[in-house]
Amino acid sequence: GAVVSQHPSWVICKSGTSVKIECRSLDFQATTMFWYRQFPKQSLMLMATSNEGSKATYEQGVEKDKFLINHASLTLSTLTVTSAHPEDSSFYICSARWRGHQETQYFGPGTRLLVL
Amino acid sequence: GQQVMQIPQYQHVQEGEDFTTYCNSSTTLSNIQWYKQRPGGHPVFLIQLVKSGEVKKQKRLTFQFGEAKKNSSLHITATQTTDVGTYFCAGDFGNEKLTFGTGTRLTIIP
Repeated sequence: GAVVSQHPSWVICKSGTSVKIECRSLDFQATTMFWYRQFPKQSLMLMATSNEGSKATYEQGVEKDKFLINHASLTLSTLTVTSAHPEDSSFYICSARWRGHQETQYFGPGTRLLVL
Repeated sequence: GQQVMQIPQYQHVQEGEDFTTYCNSSTTLSNIQWYKQRPGGHPVFLIQLVKSGEVKKQKRLTFQFGEAKKNSSLHITATQTTDVGTYFCAGDFGNEKLTFGTGTRLTIIP
């Protein structure tokens, strides 16, 4: 149980385009989803916390107008990287937490974004 | 700010040797979690420690949480090639968000 999927697993796009990444909890209802970014050989950095039906809370230094997060249902959160630039190339990972198991986050497989 | 430091950054060991990574927090943690990330993969949850002084074991892995709940360690006995990867600790400061440590990359020399 507690499986989280992400789509796509990798994407290559041109500079200036927008990219949407989906994060789904497959067998549980996620009360909260988190979005992380990981640059090569670095740690995971939390970008934002997303609660179903409410606005995401962004970490300091993360531009909310550039990284649009929508948590429309208890099983789906999306991250849209708007007007992507090469410096946005990274590994984007989501995680989900479910009611009754508040302290554990289940991570998706990640999405590798390469902006040319 | 709330930070979680991890040492060493890299560790190369002969297969069969032991390995330890240490995690230190700037302030008291609500709980600490450990994750393993294989090269090219995503973090996989290993364990969560909640109580002061807690020790948990998973086969060859031993996890400890300090008495002050500010430090933790992961010890692997008799490493195997399957242990290769980066081990991250992640601290919860009571705000239900995880702050990841810098990670320790373990490589095994066969």
